[in-house]
Amino acid sequence: AQSVSQHNHHVILSEAASLELGCNYSYGGTVNLFWYVQYPGQHLQLLLKYFSGDPLVKGIKGFEAEFIKSKFSFNLRKPSVQWSDTAEYFCAVNARYGGSQGNLIFGKGTKLSVKP
Amino acid sequence: GAVVSQHPSWVICKSGTSVKIECRSLDFQATTMFWYRQFPKQSLMLMATSNEGSKATYEQGVEKDKFLINHASLTLSTLTVTSAHPEDSSFYICSAPIAGASTDTQYFGPGTRLTVL
Repeated sequence: AQSVSQHNHHVILSEAASLELGCNYSYGGTVNLFWYVQYPGQHLQLLLKYFSGDPLVKGIKGFEAEFIKSKFSFNLRKPSVQWSDTAEYFCAVNARYGGSQGNLIFGKGTKLSVKP
Repeated sequence: GAVVSQHPSWVICKSGTSVKIECRSLDFQATTMFWYRQFPKQSLMLMATSNEGSKATYEQGVEKDKFLINHASLTLSTLTVTSAHPEDSSFYICSAPIAGASTDTQYFGPGTRLTVL
């Protein structure tokens, strides 16, 4: 079965620090990859997604992620975090089987706390 | 952007009662909606896929008689937790892709926190 693991449960950073959140998945076939963000009291929002093409994808609010197929990874990065980035971040994978669309499988989430 | 709402946002009920949670796509049609459950510090787990005009598809281990899903229109899906028990207390989230578009991009509702006493 497919699974998604996020390495860190809680990350605490100061403003302007650089961020990298790890995400690894287990599935050997074609996958679509997503990062979602959930701000306190709000619903999940899509940060960015990778379907194909350039493995370095840019999302909203200065976030980017790099798909490294050989490492089954899709790490999220931001060069300089802000207090407003405080949220929970979820990595998700959609495994595709022979062209059909599978379901989203989520990691457990990483809580990011940014100190002003 | 596409907006999905859920009602209620939180509910407290007594053990043995049933609770209905609504999921609405506000500015788009959704032939498919997904229902997730999230335990504290856990990931979202897909419970079932709701299909407009047909029966829902449940994930393995999810009791379809306990979690009744009705997708009555292109903008509304409901999840009814029947005879709720304390172990059903959780955060329930729905999502929907835009009808006709890829299900890869889903729009999420804000979630409903259910507490069963």
